[in-house]
Amino acid sequence: NAGVTQTPKFQVLKTGQSMTLQCAQDMNHNSMYWYRQDPGMGLRLIYYSASEGTTDKGEVPNGYNVSRLNKREFSLRLESAAPSQTSVYFCASSERDRDQHFGDGTRLSIL
Amino acid sequence: QKEVEQNSGPLSVPEGAIASLNCTYSDRVSQSFFWYRQYSGKSPELIMSIYSNGDKEDGRFTAQLNKASQYVSLLIRDSQPSDSATYLCAGLTTDSWGKFQFGAGTQVVVTP
Repeated sequence: NAGVTQTPKFQVLKTGQSMTLQCAQDMNHNSMYWYRQDPGMGLRLIYYSASEGTTDKGEVPNGYNVSRLNKREFSLRLESAAPSQTSVYFCASSERDRDQHFGDGTRLSIL
Repeated sequence: QKEVEQNSGPLSVPEGAIASLNCTYSDRVSQSFFWYRQYSGKSPELIMSIYSNGDKEDGRFTAQLNKASQYVSLLIRDSQPSDSATYLCAGLTTDSWGKFQFGAGTQVVVTP
């Protein structure tokens, strides 16, 4: 069972470059989420999608865009990367108000 | 006040002892709560969920929810070195359907 799959696992970017983080889930969940995790900060919500066709801002949306491509896929785009976006990014999915299932994370460094 | 607050630790616990973790929450967080364990360099994994007032036990883990005092706790009995990890408390927010709020996490270190 794949669960939640994130790609890539590691990435190094230069300031100003753009990139898209991919996330796919095979659990038929309606809700999907993007978080970033920085040391001592816990998980902070960037964007989430309660269902296919909807997206909403979370706690730290500035500098990011998202696309809910279909029920399975939810991508996160950095249009112009900044060093402050260096972090570990987690994608998660859930069904209604039940627990979230997380991907393995993407470790992103921006120089 | 942060919506979900935890002591960052580290919480040092002798092997075989009980580890007690606490989490408080604001009015903006609903009554559904989750405890996740996160090993260093790994993703969070669910340990317990609790939806109603009182205690819920699963193996060596017990979650407690006290709605009146707005706190949720996790007890780990017979702590093992493999329990050394960061424990994240999360709750569903009341302002938006399906939106979770996480605490910053408590690091637990179990010493042999």
